[in-house]
Amino acid sequence: GESVGLHLPTLSVQEGDNSIINCAYSNSASDYFIWYKQESGKGPQFIIDIRSNMDKRQGQRVTVLLNKTVKHLSLQIAATQPGDSAVYFCAENSIFSGTYKYIFGTGTRLKVLA
Amino acid sequence: NAGVMQNPRHLVRRRGQEARLRCSPMKGHSHVYWYRQLPEEGLKFMVYLQKENIIDESGMPKERFSAEFPKEGPSILRIQQVVRGDSAAYFCASSPPSGTGPYNEQFFGPGTRLTVL
Repeated sequence: GESVGLHLPTLSVQEGDNSIINCAYSNSASDYFIWYKQESGKGPQFIIDIRSNMDKRQGQRVTVLLNKTVKHLSLQIAATQPGDSAVYFCAENSIFSGTYKYIFGTGTRLKVLA
Repeated sequence: NAGVMQNPRHLVRRRGQEARLRCSPMKGHSHVYWYRQLPEEGLKFMVYLQKENIIDESGMPKERFSAEFPKEGPSILRIQQVVRGDSAAYFCASSPPSGTGPYNEQFFGPGTRLTVL
C-alpha cells in the first residue's frame, strides 16, 4: 500500500521467492516511468524504465508493468536475493510548465529473509 | 567514466550558518537536477539547471536557497541561515544534453547529508 505517514511500507519476502512492489502515480499526462533502488546511505540506482506506449518491459530478473487506466506501476523481482534488500522508488517524468522533472513516490522497503 | 560526484558527503552546520553543496555531473552531461530527501520519504524535486541557466526552480523554497551551474566547475546548492528543518539528504542527478525530452535517464550521485544542530 501507499505510505501516508512517516514510515515506509515494508515488504518482507523469503529468499528465492518473487517480489512485487506497487506504485500509484499522480499525473495521467506522465509518459515515462522509472524504478530506482536505494540502499542505505547511497543515492538512487536505476533499475528499469518504461515509456507510456508500453505496458510491460523486462530486464534481468526484473519486470515493470504499467497500467495507465488506473495509473498504477509495479516492479516484479524474480528469485529475490539478499542483495535486493533496499528501498524501492517509482518515479514519473512529468512535464510541468514546459520542463521535465521526476516526481518520486514514497517508496517501499524490501526485506529479504534468509 | 566517473559517475555523479557530490561533496561533501556529510556536512554539519549550526543554525544560522551557510551550507554549500557541490555536484559534479557525469562527463558530457550538461543537465543537473537537485532533490531533497527527508528520512523515510521519497525524493522531492528542487531545481533543474543547465550550464549558466536555471530552467525550473519550482521546487526551491523562496528564501535562503539558491542554485547555480556555472560554465566552469560544479553545480552549487547554497542554503543560507540554515535551520533545523533543512536537515536532510540532498541528491544531485545529471543527464546528457540529448535528454531534453521525457525519456531522459537521470543518474544520481551519492548525496550530501546535511545536519543542522
